[in-house]
Amino acid sequence: AQSVTQLDSQVPVFEEAPVELRCNYSSSVSVYLFWYVQYPNQGLQLLLKYLSGSTLVESINGFEAEFNKSQTSFHLRKPSVHISDTAEYFCAVSEGNTPLVFGKGTRLSVIA
Amino acid sequence: SAVISQKPSRDICQRGTSLTIQCQVDSQVTMMFWYRQQPGQSLTLIATANQGSEATYESGFVIDKFPISRPNLTFSTLTVSNMSPEDSSIYLCSVYRGSSGNTIYFGEGSWLTVV
Repeated sequence: AQSVTQLDSQVPVFEEAPVELRCNYSSSVSVYLFWYVQYPNQGLQLLLKYLSGSTLVESINGFEAEFNKSQTSFHLRKPSVHISDTAEYFCAVSEGNTPLVFGKGTRLSVIA
Repeated sequence: SAVISQKPSRDICQRGTSLTIQCQVDSQVTMMFWYRQQPGQSLTLIATANQGSEATYESGFVIDKFPISRPNLTFSTLTVSNMSPEDSSIYLCSVYRGSSGNTIYFGEGSWLTVV
């Protein structure tokens, strides 16, 4: 059965510093990987996804994630964070026609 | 992208009552799912809504508590029965659309508070 581990429940970081949110998954077959963001008191938004092809995927607001099959990881990175990036970030995995399985989430707090 | 409409968007419910949440999709989809997000928690899959047959429930969720209907390929309902404060959560409808590469879409969620 597929599962997702987000190793850090909370990540505080100063504004303009880089950040990495870690995500590891467990699956015996090919997977599709997703990062979702949830801003305070708002719904879920898709940040980026890996389906196939290039292992490095980018979002429009400067985040990127790299699919590493050998390490079964899909870590999310941003070279310079802003206050507005403060949110809960969820990593999720699907094996195709299966529903998404979510990690427990990582709360990113950007400090001015 | 798929457009998913959920109703109600928010509600405050009395303990012991039941509430039905509707999920309407702008086009036919093969798979529809219902998730729950309790306060400060991640999303947990409740069930897969199957068109024309009973829903498939995940461990810890039962049909008597969360009856689900899916009369066609664009619509589903989730009922939260005999509510208690522990049912206060965001309930999200999700659909799978394979045309854009195994992408799953989420509705805005139904934010329920049970008092």
